[in-house]
Amino acid sequence: QVQLQESGPGLVKPSQTLSLTCSVSGDSITSGRYYWTWIRQHPGEGLEWIGNIYFSGKTTYNPSLKSRVSISIDTSKSQFSLKLTSVNAADTAVYFCATYTAYDACFDNWGRGTLVTVSS
Amino acid sequence: EIVLTQSPGTLSLSPGERATLSCRASQAVTYTYLAWYQQKPGQPPRLLIYGASSRATGIPDRFSGSGSGTDFTLTISSLEPEDFAVYYCQQSTPSLPLTFGGGTKVDIK
Repeated sequence: QVQLQESGPGLVKPSQTLSLTCSVSGDSITSGRYYWTWIRQHPGEGLEWIGNIYFSGKTTYNPSLKSRVSISIDTSKSQFSLKLTSVNAADTAVYFCATYTAYDACFDNWGRGTLVTVSS
Repeated sequence: EIVLTQSPGTLSLSPGERATLSCRASQAVTYTYLAWYQQKPGQPPRLLIYGASSRATGIPDRFSGSGSGTDFTLTISSLEPEDFAVYYCQQSTPSLPLTFGGGTKVDIK
């Protein structure tokens, strides 16, 4: 069973860059079994897929965020990371890292999530 | 973008009753690409159903999924106290982005 843990600042100023890291344990980040994924949830609202990365470095992003999003992977640290530039209040959300299993087409492991507030 | 519309928004039921949750897609979704999740307050979503009808590991058989094309259903045959939560459907067709429905809240009547 894969365990995922998000980390990063809980408060980011408007126009700055949001940076989060997800630490992976319980399975190898290079196993090829998963696409490593970021999903967010605005307060009291539904879920929004941000994007994912494969261990090879191949990325796929939500077109609505593509111009501001970057996901990277550090296999030596078993971590993958999210950067979201030029944030504003609308980016305030709980950010989850998760695994996407292409064979079953679902998100089968989730981190607990971390709240990021954009405010001056 | 494929939009998933879930109904009803809230379902008020008593323990032991049957819950029927609907997820309608704006375009046809191959059944293999439809999943359901349960989320309780302060927790991440938990995978319940994938491939429209396959239960994830450890999910009780009172949860079942069905449907095809644009109409999918999650059924909870007899509600247990721990089933009161918000439920989301999600599609993973190759056309981006991957999307979730707006959710159905199942609360205690």
